[in-house]
Amino acid sequence: DQQVKQNSPSLSVQEGRISILNCDYTNSMFDYFLWYKKYPAEGPTFLISISSIKDKNEDGRFTVFLNKSAKHLSLHIVPSQPGDSAVYFCAASVTQGAQKLVFGQGTRLTINP
Amino acid sequence: EAGVVQSPRYKIIEKKQPVAFWCNPISGHNTLYWYRQNLGQGPELLIRYENEEAVDDSQLPKDRFSAERLKGVDSTLKIQPAELGDSAVYLCASSSLAGSYNEQFFGPGTRLTVL
Repeated sequence: DQQVKQNSPSLSVQEGRISILNCDYTNSMFDYFLWYKKYPAEGPTFLISISSIKDKNEDGRFTVFLNKSAKHLSLHIVPSQPGDSAVYFCAASVTQGAQKLVFGQGTRLTINP
Repeated sequence: EAGVVQSPRYKIIEKKQPVAFWCNPISGHNTLYWYRQNLGQGPELLIRYENEEAVDDSQLPKDRFSAERLKGVDSTLKIQPAELGDSAVYLCASSSLAGSYNEQFFGPGTRLTVL
């Protein structure tokens, strides 16, 4: 039972344009969502997060949008840069029980010069 | 500040052999996690420690997997005996506070290949 799904295994975007990565979840108990970025041969690194009491969180070039009714979140990167090429994982957590992250399958983003 | 350290980085073994992975979390982090990441999938939690106590090991296949964090600092994850399906990247992560949304810091992982 895949509670967090990233349906696009890969995405290719031209440098300078907007990258949009999508994530869907099924468990309505999830109330905290995170995006992690992973380079080859490295562990995932935290990128940005959002609580379910918000519908948008912005940090520089990165913005995460949450649509609770649709159980959908997205990560926007604008403008996209070559260094953004990586695998991006969406993760979700439930407040109680603390710290257990459920990850999606990941989306490989490639930024083309 | 040193990050999460894992060793070895790569391990190739024959099936039915034992294998162990070691993790040293970020200094001062009392919460430690072991994840398994299969090819093309996201990380899946195996076990979570708060100090020395394993507070969530519901996803750990206890017939062949074991873990310990004796002094509440570094940790070892063991598989005995290994099976072909255990081939994966084993990630260790740590965070500083339980019960709050503190960022989990991941190590580089150990890539296990079982032949």
